Amino acid sequence: DAGVIQSPRHEVTEMGQEVTLRCKPISGHDYLFWYRQTMMRGLELLIYFNNNVPIDDSGMPEDRFSAKMPNASFSTLKIQPSEPRDSAVYFCASSRGQFEAFFGQGTRLTVV
Amino acid sequence: DQQVKQNSPSLSVQEGRISILNCDYTNSMFDYFLWYKKYPAEGPTFLISISSIKDKNEDGRFTVFLNKSAKHLSLHIVPSQPGDSAVYFCAARNTGTASKLTFGTGTRLQVTL
Repeated sequence: DAGVIQSPRHEVTEMGQEVTLRCKPISGHDYLFWYRQTMMRGLELLIYFNNNVPIDDSGMPEDRFSAKMPNASFSTLKIQPSEPRDSAVYFCASSRGQFEAFFGQGTRLTVV
Repeated sequence: DQQVKQNSPSLSVQEGRISILNCDYTNSMFDYFLWYKKYPAEGPTFLISISSIKDKNEDGRFTVFLNKSAKHLSLHIVPSQPGDSAVYFCAARNTGTASKLTFGTGTRLQVTL
């Protein structure tokens, strides 16, 4: 299995622009998670899906952030408009039921 | 509010010695705990876990200890190897929230020769 695949690996964008991060979970996994890693707060859970349905989005920082999972093999995290404080590494992870989550390699986002 | 805390941002240990990484939690509903290891430019990878019904779980050089009364867990690595140099994240989950994990801020371990 190729594991969790995220794209792009790096994204540099200007403040105010829309940013879309993409994730392909491991086939057969029914949970998908979006995390953000910062120095101050470590790994923060933004939102997670179960069987493509958003279950908990309480970690989404603002209305500028949105996430979708149109099918079992694809999810997006969108930031519109982006701000410099959104600069971080964003991870997607997937799991099968209660088992441990597998992480992608992350997208390093820089908003200038 | 940080429900999972790793108070040591970094730790340096000599090769062959024991590494002890600590983690504290505040939510008494957490019933499953995990450790993840992260190398630069890679995603975290699962290392070892422990259920709240146990107080110890061992896997090769890695052992996790859980003290529920103190709301504290620790990861022991013995003997430490240079390849263990990474950031270690402690994570916790409560059954009521399915697979949702709450992570600590991580401890950077450096194993020196």
